[in-house]
Amino acid sequence: EVQLVQSGAEVRKPGESLKISCQVSGYNFAGYWIAWVRQMPGKGLEWMGIIYPGDSDTRYSPSFQGQVSISADKSVSTAYLQWSSLKASDSGIYYCARHRTSSAYVPLDYWGQGSPVTVSS
Amino acid sequence: EIVLTQSPGTLSLSPGERATLSCRASQTLSSTYLAWYQQVPGQAPRLLIYGASSRATGIPDRFGGSGSGTDFTLTISRLEPEDFAVYYCQQSGYSPHTFGGGTKVEIK
Repeated sequence: EVQLVQSGAEVRKPGESLKISCQVSGYNFAGYWIAWVRQMPGKGLEWMGIIYPGDSDTRYSPSFQGQVSISADKSVSTAYLQWSSLKASDSGIYYCARHRTSSAYVPLDYWGQGSPVTVSS
Repeated sequence: EIVLTQSPGTLSLSPGERATLSCRASQTLSSTYLAWYQQVPGQAPRLLIYGASSRATGIPDRFGGSGSGTDFTLTISRLEPEDFAVYYCQQSGYSPHTFGGGTKVEIK
């Protein structure tokens, strides 16, 4: 059974750093792109970027380039989303999701449960 | 960046009625790259349709997708109580893989 299990809720202050995780099981982690998607409170879905764990090829949305860092560790079948200096506007729920096939040009068929992030002074 | 515009913003219907949701792309898009998701409040999105018209695994046949070029449609033939949710389209052909703003289907 394919599963994506994300790390829990986080509360941070502006300027702090944060790294959230998405541990997968039930399939070959290295062979499928993983996406990160943001959902701000009461708003829609925003595509942040993707990573191919097999070779760490990473692509970012221009809206998020330079604001976050996406990485993956094949040894523990886990993808990460990281901030070096959080802003209040980073508050939201962050989802990881797997691409439906090994292509980067297909939709997302399995999703994590979401990691709520609250940034407040 | 391809912009996806969904309409209407909110659709108020009764159980058993037919729902028609629209997704318009800012430039021509191969139907291969158009997908639809359902999001129930408090849950992660769920893939419904990929390739504009193919149902994902386990999706009931009351959900149907169609369209080509810049205009795509999600149809729910007879609304069940569990279908009242927010629906998003997404394109995965061009980076960034943008989502539409969503259509909320609410109980009338």
